[in-house]
Amino acid sequence: GENVEQHPSTLSVQEGDSAVIKCTYSDSASNYFPWYKQELGKRPQLIIDIRSNVGEKKDQRIAVTLNKTAKHFSLHITETQPEDSAVYFCAAPGGGGADGLTFGKGTHLIIQP
Amino acid sequence: DAGITQSPRHKVTETGTPVTLRCHQTENHRYMYWYRQDPGHGLRLIHYSYGVKDTDKGEVSDGYSVSRSKTEDFLLTLESATSSQTSVYFCAISESTGLGQETQYFGPGTRLLVL
Repeated sequence: GENVEQHPSTLSVQEGDSAVIKCTYSDSASNYFPWYKQELGKRPQLIIDIRSNVGEKKDQRIAVTLNKTAKHFSLHITETQPEDSAVYFCAAPGGGGADGLTFGKGTHLIIQP
Repeated sequence: DAGITQSPRHKVTETGTPVTLRCHQTENHRYMYWYRQDPGHGLRLIHYSYGVKDTDKGEVSDGYSVSRSKTEDFLLTLESATSSQTSVYFCAISESTGLGQETQYFGPGTRLLVL
């Protein structure tokens, strides 16, 4: 099945700076890569996703890049704000069966004022 | 929030007792999933369903069973709860055509404590 590795586990940045979270995956057949944001005590919320027919996707301050050859994808957040503080999860298809998602273990992003 | 509810939202139970968690959706989506979330492990797939009475195992299915008798409801049962099943359980839905390649939307979660 799929294996997803996510780094770093904790990331602290100054407000206004950029943050980058990286994930690698193992199954070369995977072609859909979502990113979820989870605030304390809340459900994971999709913030952006990318499919393998594109190398980059942007939505305001958030962007995701995909390198299929190297089997890694990254989340980029620019001009970070206090409300960006949360845990971020990457995922790829293949949760131990033919369906579902395999998630990385999460990155706790801390925005320092 | 994609029309997904979970019940109960919190539950405390004792080791050895049966527990059933319910996920209800109003979106008429075909696919429904149960995940558990534990510190240091992220979210892990327990079981999923691709239609009424059609279910399959995920990564961490031991000790769990599921049923789906209606499109809108997906039940997760712990036949005999153990302390290792203390966790936060999330239901998710999608219109996946298979291979997990469509957006999944999550319910609010159920926090289960097994004493």
